[in-house]
Amino acid sequence: QLQLQESGPGLVKPSETLSLTCTVSGGSISSSSYYWGWIRQPPGKGLEWIGSIYYSGSTYYNPSLKSRVTISVDTSKNQFSLKLSSVTAADTAVYYCARDPQGWVDYWGQGTLVTVSS
Amino acid sequence: QLVLTQSPSASASLGASVKLTCTLSSGHSSYAIAWHQQQPEKGPRYLMKLNSDGSHSKGDGIPDRFSGSSSGAERYLTISSLQSEDEADYYCQTWGTGDVVFGGGTKLTVL
Repeated sequence: QLQLQESGPGLVKPSETLSLTCTVSGGSISSSSYYWGWIRQPPGKGLEWIGSIYYSGSTYYNPSLKSRVTISVDTSKNQFSLKLSSVTAADTAVYYCARDPQGWVDYWGQGTLVTVSS
Repeated sequence: QLVLTQSPSASASLGASVKLTCTLSSGHSSYAIAWHQQQPEKGPRYLMKLNSDGSHSKGDGIPDRFSGSSSGAERYLTISSLQSEDEADYYCQTWGTGDVVFGGGTKLTVL
């Protein structure tokens, strides 16, 4: 059974960089069939796709966040990571990692709340 | 622009059926979508991928009570024999070249 688990700081200061890691178990991140993605959900609001990465390092990002987002992959650890720079209170959200069979999500992590506050 | 439109809320009685709608923006009526369920205080759960011809493939362990269908730019999720645990937010999702979009979600209340 595929499982995805997010990890990282739950509190980030304004203007700093948010960093999260997703560990994949029960499957290989190097599978040729899938991208691996990040989605977020501000409190009480809907879902927003952030971006996705292929095991080779190929990425695609939400145009509205592209200037601040970097997604990377570490196949040796079966992990992929998110960095979001220059955060503000508007970046406070539950962040989910997910498996992406080229466009949609078919497995979700449980999510981790990141609060941006001084 | 690729946009998905969902009604903010829906309601139906315990044991009844309900049909939720997700509408693709103009020019995108051939696009497939995915449906996701988010129960209160939980993360989303993938329900199914739904193609424009109505064919669909469900996620692991999704009951037969959940089914999908399509008509033009409309994509539907039908839940039959409603149970209390079906009370949740339902999101549709689609994708284009280098872009992924979620609908605003429909909050389903089971009466």
